[in-house]
Order: sequence, then C-alpha cells, then structure tokens
Amino acid sequence: DTAVSQTPKYLVTQMGNDKSIKCEQNLGHDTMYWYKQDSKKFLKIMFSYNNKELIINETVPNRFSPKSPDKAHLNLHINSLELGDSAVYFCASSQGLPGSYEQYFGPGTRLTVT
Amino acid sequence: QKEVEQNSGPLSVPEGAIASLNCTYSDRGSQSFFWYRQYSGKSPELIMFIYSNGDKEDGRFTAQLNKASQYVSLLIRDSQPSDSATYLCAVGNNNDMRFGAGTRLTVKP
Repeated sequence: DTAVSQTPKYLVTQMGNDKSIKCEQNLGHDTMYWYKQDSKKFLKIMFSYNNKELIINETVPNRFSPKSPDKAHLNLHINSLELGDSAVYFCASSQGLPGSYEQYFGPGTRLTVT
Repeated sequence: QKEVEQNSGPLSVPEGAIASLNCTYSDRGSQSFFWYRQYSGKSPELIMFIYSNGDKEDGRFTAQLNKASQYVSLLIRDSQPSDSATYLCAVGNNNDMRFGAGTRLTVKP
C-alpha cells in the first residue's frame, strides 16, 4: 500500500491554464509538504501544513495555493501557469513538525508547461 | 538565510571503495540531520538521520555529525553500482527543514 501518493504523475498543459495536484498519505502523519524540484535538481520547500494549519509558506507566487481538507490530504492548485512552473512537484509527510522528523516523499508530479 | 551546502559532484568511486559525502550548514542551532538518496527520475528516500555528535552506523552507511564544525557527512562502505544516485543532505531546526543541492555519486564497476 502506497504511503504517500500523488495524482497525476504527469501533467502537460499550456500556459495560462489552471491545474491541481492531489496528495494523500496513509501513514497517520500530522504534517504534509509541497516541494518543487527544478531542472537543476534543487529541492525547494513551498508549503507545509500541520494538522490542517499552514506553518510554512515560502516565497512563492500567489498563483500557487495549497489546501488541506484534512491531515491526510494536501492539494496544490496553480493558476495561470507559466513556463517557469515546469518542474517536478513532490508531496511529503512527516510524523511531526518540520525540522524534527524524517519526511516521506510521494512519487512526484512532473509538470510541463508549453 | 539558512543554508545547506554540498559539493554537487559528480563524485566517482570504484566499486568496493568508500564514498565520502559532505555537507555543511550555516544555522548553528540546527538540531536534526538527514541523508536522503534520490535515483534519477525517482523521489528522495531516507537513508539515515542523526541528532547527536559522533557516528551512527547502519549497515554499509555511517553518518557523522560535528556540530562545533557545523558539518555532517555520510560514508558508504563497499560502494556498489546500485549506490549511484544523488545524495541530499537535509538540516532541521525550529519547524524548518532545508535541503542541500545534492551530490551526485557514480560507482564504477
């Protein structure tokens, strides 16, 4: 049974479109994350939720909006997609607060904006 | 700005050798330290974590932490071609986790 799952795995879309990525974890963890990994492979944190509350909100364009309906789910909605949004987006979860516990990553969503 | 620095590599070692991966961090108050392995096209997976100064061993892997020098390393003994991957160092403190850019390791048969 997959611990952290993401859908879709691949997403190809045109500039200006709006898209969403979904994430679910069945580990019973309290904290979930969204990361962006660009072509240079640098893994950058975007957002983190702990028990449905936003606790990390890095400097990302406000076209990116996370939403956590419950602590097992964290979705990422992206408005008005731009070429520079092309990247792999990873969801992750941890037992507790960031910085103290190891994180478990989903398989990633490869977003390509044309 | 809290920073985690790693040599991007590539680091190339022959099969059976010891691979040494290094990581330095800028936040002296950092409390937890993690090593992740990422194969090409895959997601990062946890190898080890360490919280206290000294060495921690798990199979062929040893993590070493020196908080005074703000330095954490990962040693891989008896390196195998299957160890070829990018290794990410992550440092945590105060509800924050930062990743290094990763070191690409190639183990040649």
